[in-house]
Amino acid sequence: QKEVEQDPGPLSVPEGAIVSLNCTYSNSAFQYFMWYRQYSRKGPELLMYTYSSGNKEDGRFTAQVDKSSKYISLFIRDSQPSDSATYLCAAGEGGRDDKIIFGKGTRLHILP
Amino acid sequence: ETGVTQTPRHLVMGMTNKKSLKCEQHLGHNAMYWYKQSAKKPLELMFVYSLEERVENNSVPSRFSPECPNSSHLFLHLHTLQPEDSALYLCASSQESVKGKNIQYFGAGTRLSVL
Repeated sequence: QKEVEQDPGPLSVPEGAIVSLNCTYSNSAFQYFMWYRQYSRKGPELLMYTYSSGNKEDGRFTAQVDKSSKYISLFIRDSQPSDSATYLCAAGEGGRDDKIIFGKGTRLHILP
Repeated sequence: ETGVTQTPRHLVMGMTNKKSLKCEQHLGHNAMYWYKQSAKKPLELMFVYSLEERVENNSVPSRFSPECPNSSHLFLHLHTLQPEDSALYLCASSQESVKGKNIQYFGAGTRLSVL
């Protein structure tokens, strides 16, 4: 089944800590992966996407994909209270009529 | 701003009302989507329009009726809804291609409450 599994949390960490958010998937045909951040009462905002195994860094955020383990991660360094949100992972196979499969989202609380 | 604008942001309607949700994208994309987001559930894809043609229905009840008059605008017409239809309705757009990625950009959503 083409699912993306994600722990719903909530996950509470102190300000300044490194946050690790994770998803697993079962579909070997997934070619690219995305992380979205969703604040309360807002739509999901694209943070990062990657389409290969390895790491991709953007400021305090690092996306990591391990296709052999079917495991994707988002790391947040020097976490801030403004990072408190729900983080959704998503995956797609690519091509026309591609369906993106979303995880349920992990609620993250950064404690001041 | 993501380039995808949804109106209204909030909507309260009775079960006998008829209302419409509007979405407009300013990104030059060729595909648009309606999703339903309920608490503790993954995003549920409702409708997909690619090049203004509907390509996905996903067994959505007929009380939801989409309309895509052009590649920049998308509507969701609502009638005789049920209380369980209360949710956040999200519009998204993307640039689809044969070999490419389908990176979707979302609007802020319409929070719908059905009384």
